[in-house]
Amino acid sequence: GAVVSQHPSWVICKSGTSVKIECRSLDFQATTMFWYRQFPKQSLMLMATSNEGSKATYEQGVEKDKFLINHASLTLSTLTVTSAHPEDSSFYICSARVRGRGEAFFGQGTRLTVV
Amino acid sequence: AQSVSQHNHHVILSEAASLELGCNYSYGGTVNLFWYVQYPGQHLQLLLKYFSGDPLVKGIKGFEAEFIKSKFSFNLRKPSVQWSDTAEYFCAVGNRDDKIIFGKGTRLHILP
Repeated sequence: GAVVSQHPSWVICKSGTSVKIECRSLDFQATTMFWYRQFPKQSLMLMATSNEGSKATYEQGVEKDKFLINHASLTLSTLTVTSAHPEDSSFYICSARVRGRGEAFFGQGTRLTVV
Repeated sequence: AQSVSQHNHHVILSEAASLELGCNYSYGGTVNLFWYVQYPGQHLQLLLKYFSGDPLVKGIKGFEAEFIKSKFSFNLRKPSVQWSDTAEYFCAVGNRDDKIIFGKGTRLHILP
């Protein structure tokens, strides 16, 4: 149980285009989802927290207009990188949690390369 | 503000050696503590967690961690490591309704 699936696993896009990444909790209802970004050989940097049915809470320094997060249902959250630039190339990871339960379950991550 | 500090960035051990990875945290309020592991090419997996109760927590694959409140620490230990423990280990802090913040990770390399 507690499986979180991200799609796609990797994506290459042209500079200036937008990319959508999906995060699904397959066997539980996730009231909260987190989006992280991981740079090579560095830790996970929390980008935003999203609760089902409400607006995402972004961490300081994260552009909400660039990284659009939607958490429309209890099993799906999406991250859209708008007008992507090469510096947006990174590994994006989502995690999902049931409210009131401390642990979070992680997706396998999405490697985004912007050329 | 909450933060997590991992002291060792890169650790190299021989098989059967004992392991201890340090983790210190700063957090106001009721704290939940986690250790996650990321094996090469795989996604993050939960090793163990502390919510309350016995401060010595046992996790999967023979790992354990001890919560020492007075030291704000949650060090990870394993008495005898195996080659298959080669991975990156992340300490994390949060609570049941709040965000989870990660340390910078410790890359563990076990020599066969």
